[in-house]
Amino acid sequence: TQLLEQSPQFLSIQEGENLTVYCNSSSVFSSLQWYRQEPGEGPVLLVTVVTGGEVKKLKRLTFQFGDARKDSSLHITAAQPGDTGLYLCAGAETSGTYKYIFGTGTRLKVLA
Amino acid sequence: DSGVTQTPKHLITATGQRVTLRCSPRSGDLSVYWYQQSLDQGLQFLIQYYNGEERAKGNILERFSAQQFPDLHSELNLSSLELGDSALYFCASSGPHRADEAFFGQGTRLTVV
Repeated sequence: TQLLEQSPQFLSIQEGENLTVYCNSSSVFSSLQWYRQEPGEGPVLLVTVVTGGEVKKLKRLTFQFGDARKDSSLHITAAQPGDTGLYLCAGAETSGTYKYIFGTGTRLKVLA
Repeated sequence: DSGVTQTPKHLITATGQRVTLRCSPRSGDLSVYWYQQSLDQGLQFLIQYYNGEERAKGNILERFSAQQFPDLHSELNLSSLELGDSALYFCASSGPHRADEAFFGQGTRLTVV
């Protein structure tokens, strides 16, 4: 089974700070997705990155897919309390199993 | 609203019992996925169905089973329940054009006492 490791596991920052979350794998993914999950709710899709080196921006969030399509990062500029949540990367295994797996998660808390 | 409906939202049952969780995917989606999320844990992939057929299997216990019906709704059956089965169970669906983008229901919170 391919694995998606995220770092850091926990992050507590002040409002207005910048942060980066990483999603790493030793395997190639054809695409990666980023989701945000709030307590008691299902994950909500934020973005899909497909091409190696691709950068996508969603307001204050910047997503990048590694050139080799084995890793991805999420950068948040000027974090706000509303950004608080569990951030998850995900992808479909390319080993032919069709499993859609999730990363270990980064729990972000932004303090006002 | 993701368009994925899960019922019930909450379920409390005793050890040794059997429960059924239900999921209706988004209109037009053929794939249904089931995940388990324990307290402060990530999402563990259980099983995926595509148009009625099992497509992928994760770490699903033998006490658990699932199926997808002709109308594409899915059910996850959990039997001989143990305390450790207490968790949030999520269903997600994806469409034929972007199978790598999953849309999640609100989840069923199962508490085994």
